[in-house]
Amino acid sequence: DQQVKQNSPSLSVQEGRISILNCDYTNSMFDYFLWYKKYPAEGPTFLISISSIKDKNEDGRFTVFLNKSAKHLSLHIVPSQPGDSAVYFCAAKGLGNTDKLIFGTGTRLQVFP
Amino acid sequence: DAGITQSPRHKVTETGTPVTLRCHQTENHRYMYWYRQDPGHGLRLIHYSYGVKDTDKGEVSDGYSVSRSKTEDFLLTLESATSSQTSVYFCAISERDSTDTQYFGPGTRLTVL
Repeated sequence: DQQVKQNSPSLSVQEGRISILNCDYTNSMFDYFLWYKKYPAEGPTFLISISSIKDKNEDGRFTVFLNKSAKHLSLHIVPSQPGDSAVYFCAAKGLGNTDKLIFGTGTRLQVFP
Repeated sequence: DAGITQSPRHKVTETGTPVTLRCHQTENHRYMYWYRQDPGHGLRLIHYSYGVKDTDKGEVSDGYSVSRSKTEDFLLTLESATSSQTSVYFCAISERDSTDTQYFGPGTRLTVL
């Protein structure tokens, strides 16, 4: 059973516009959430994270929003750039489960000129 | 870039043969992880280690074993490879637990014929 879901396998956005990547989770015990970015033939790289005590975290062009009541988080990229084209994974960690991250299935973002 | 290497980077083997993948780090991080990435499943944790000789199972540990005799090396062994173990395998490290940023290696593409 997939505890972290990314229902959109792909997303295409024009350069300069906003990219919004979504992630839903089912386990209310998750208390920490992360986004990773992955280019082909490379390992994932950490992008941004958010704790459950916050509802927003911003880092440059990247902002993550957390809606605990809806069990939903989203990653906003503004403005989108061609170099942002990659697969994005959201991940979650639960209370008392300090050593394990649960990853979503990923969303492939393509930013076109 | 975090000093993580994986070897081999590519391997083709036959069903029933043993296979060992190696992850080597130069960061002296305590935690090391093995993930597999498959289409439609994202990244799934196989095993992880929280110190020398200290390991635990992840989400998809059946058919895999691990060993960590030194801080810098974490080995993943498929005792008898099956076609279902065809995948891309990623090693990751973190300084403390999974709340810390996990740094990923470049991956090993394993094909079991």
